Amino acid sequence: GAGVSQSPSNKVTEKGKDVELRCDPISGHTALYWYRQSLGQGLEFLIYFQGNSAPDKSGLPSDRFSAERTGGSVSTLTIQRTQQEDSAVYLCASSSPPGTPGYTFGSGTRLTVV
Amino acid sequence: KNQVEQSPQSLIILEGKNCTLQCNYTVSPFSNLRWYKQDTGRGPVSLTIMTFSENTKSNGRYTATLDADTKQSSLHITASQLSDSASYICVVSGGAGSYQLTFGKGTKLSVIP
Repeated sequence: GAGVSQSPSNKVTEKGKDVELRCDPISGHTALYWYRQSLGQGLEFLIYFQGNSAPDKSGLPSDRFSAERTGGSVSTLTIQRTQQEDSAVYLCASSSPPGTPGYTFGSGTRLTVV
Repeated sequence: KNQVEQSPQSLIILEGKNCTLQCNYTVSPFSNLRWYKQDTGRGPVSLTIMTFSENTKSNGRYTATLDADTKQSSLHITASQLSDSASYICVVSGGAGSYQLTFGKGTKLSVIP
């Protein structure tokens, strides 16, 4: 597609439920990133995928968070047993080649845990 | 620890006026610095990208400056418009090929008529 697409745009879930957030990067972009933006805070790095290499998961805040990228394209960020502190906007970005300035961000998924 | 500090935290200006946003960073080694505009409910959109050797870069009414010696950057907005109301985020990348960016918390700009 023309840009990075994320779905859903908004998600309200009950505490303890699992949620899946989807990111569809720009076609051909080999690098994909997930960030989290909490209210009043800067963007926080979560995870990075580059081609077929093992992802860098160093930013994931707990083992309740996981992500996968199927076929080098679409990525899913899963949060298990959601907590209220997970409420944030989750942003996905893609670029090619890795580390270049050509990041493109999606519009994000606003997650609210009640 | 790599950090990016932005000021002011928020700013209100009248339509047509100019303003300057500040960014100080401690990221090392330095690769590039970017300014993003983030409208409410949207993802960040890149305005400018500057490497170590660049002192200034313009994008329409937006002009970014970089002083790599003092580790400071500014974003100047000329003749502000209502559509400039957004958060402006300073992002610094460290190390050649580094993919991990350090983000400032942003400056929330409100342009009023």
